[in-house]
Amino acid sequence: ETGVTQSPTHLIKTRGQQVTLRCSSQSGHNTVSWYQQALGQGPQFIFQYYREEENGRGNFPPRFSGLQFPNYSSELNVNALELDDSALYLCASSPADRPPGDTQYFGPGTRLTVL
Amino acid sequence: AQSVTQLDSQVPVFEEAPVELRCNYSSSVSVYLFWYVQYPNQGLQLLLKYLSGSTLVKGINGFEAEFNKSQTSFHLRKPSVHISDTAEYFCAVSDGSDGQNFVFGPGTRLSVLP
Repeated sequence: ETGVTQSPTHLIKTRGQQVTLRCSSQSGHNTVSWYQQALGQGPQFIFQYYREEENGRGNFPPRFSGLQFPNYSSELNVNALELDDSALYLCASSPADRPPGDTQYFGPGTRLTVL
Repeated sequence: AQSVTQLDSQVPVFEEAPVELRCNYSSSVSVYLFWYVQYPNQGLQLLLKYLSGSTLVKGINGFEAEFNKSQTSFHLRKPSVHISDTAEYFCAVSDGSDGQNFVFGPGTRLSVLP
């Protein structure tokens, strides 16, 4: 049990729609990262937030955006959904007392299907 | 840029046999190395990590890994596997810098056969 929760568990959308995925971290975890895991592949880094500011971004277009809130929750928003956005989306949080890139605790993920 | 290679996409092994899952990485800087396990329809669970110090790292569930800097490898081993070890295993590397994150390998599917 990592203490990181995600909602919803599963989601079905159609092409062109917008989606918001949510993550709740443990208290004191002020860094959150989001990953996209396509079927049969390893997770790919989307972006990271630290104290409510974007702190790093992977090779994903601007239609992938995020928010982090003071209560250790965060959101991943995806606009203009495409079929290739179908994947498992994972959030991971890091405790404030550990250096960056040391340890991340992953949530169970949200399975997004785009039809 | 960092990258991770997991040469074996699938590893079948009989119960109670030993297993080694291979991981090689490339990086121009010092790295942290990780192994995560993912059970069906679940998130990632940390098995073990190498940050510094002893190159032999022991993790949960009887797994261990050895960091070999000269060969840029971090292979995962278990002397005797159980049916419950059937899962997807991911090797990951981080350079520890702020704002950067883990680069994952493509994963190895371990299937333990009765």
